[in-house]
Amino acid sequence: QSALTQPASVSGSPGQSITISCSGTSSDVGGFNYVSWYQHHPGKGPKLMIYDVSNRPSGVSNRFSGSKSGNTASLTISGLQAEDEADYYCNSYTSSSTWVFGGGTKLTVL
Amino acid sequence: EVQVLESGGGLVQPGGSLRLSCAASGFTFSTYAMSWVRQAPGKGLEWVSSISGYGDSTYYADSVKGRFTISRDTSKNTLYLQMHSLRAEDTAIYYCAKKTSTSGFDFWGQGTLVTVSS
Repeated sequence: QSALTQPASVSGSPGQSITISCSGTSSDVGGFNYVSWYQHHPGKGPKLMIYDVSNRPSGVSNRFSGSKSGNTASLTISGLQAEDEADYYCNSYTSSSTWVFGGGTKLTVL
Repeated sequence: EVQVLESGGGLVQPGGSLRLSCAASGFTFSTYAMSWVRQAPGKGLEWVSSISGYGDSTYYADSVKGRFTISRDTSKNTLYLQMHSLRAEDTAIYYCAKKTSTSGFDFWGQGTLVTVSS
């Protein structure tokens, strides 16, 4: 199972919006509405930010939103804040009954 | 409060074995699937294995299939990962994660470090 494709890095200034893409195939991202997104700060456990493509867990800011079109999912962060600087990973269920992560995207807040 | 706490990591020689544990609390353990996810040094997250709520279904990444075994003891609210034939490329921080009822892993531990080296 190959990792989903994410950009290695994205950046934005405070207050701006950024979008991170996550490309897969019809056997994972495109085949199921089971895409989730994680924020990961070094030394800590990852934090679930979005599940089932576009749902936010309780406590996650509404500045975070998710969507999907075809085989590509996206995470958008609006009103960027310094505390958003972290690594972000997408994850999808697959037709093999397994799960696959994206390679990760490092977000830098300028 | 939901908590998951991993233990059992350490230094092991190539070809050796190790068993990781994950103690869970704050939720009905048998209701939710659980998973192991790892992160090798300088690399991204990699899903390793998952087990259903009652332990009757297990799933593995190709990279560990046949070498790792996931299990759970609902009487102890504990998840396990038995690792055999360890390789240098298994060196990673191993995270235990509770799965939601649909997609997503909603609670994670701090991880336990496994180092495979001679």
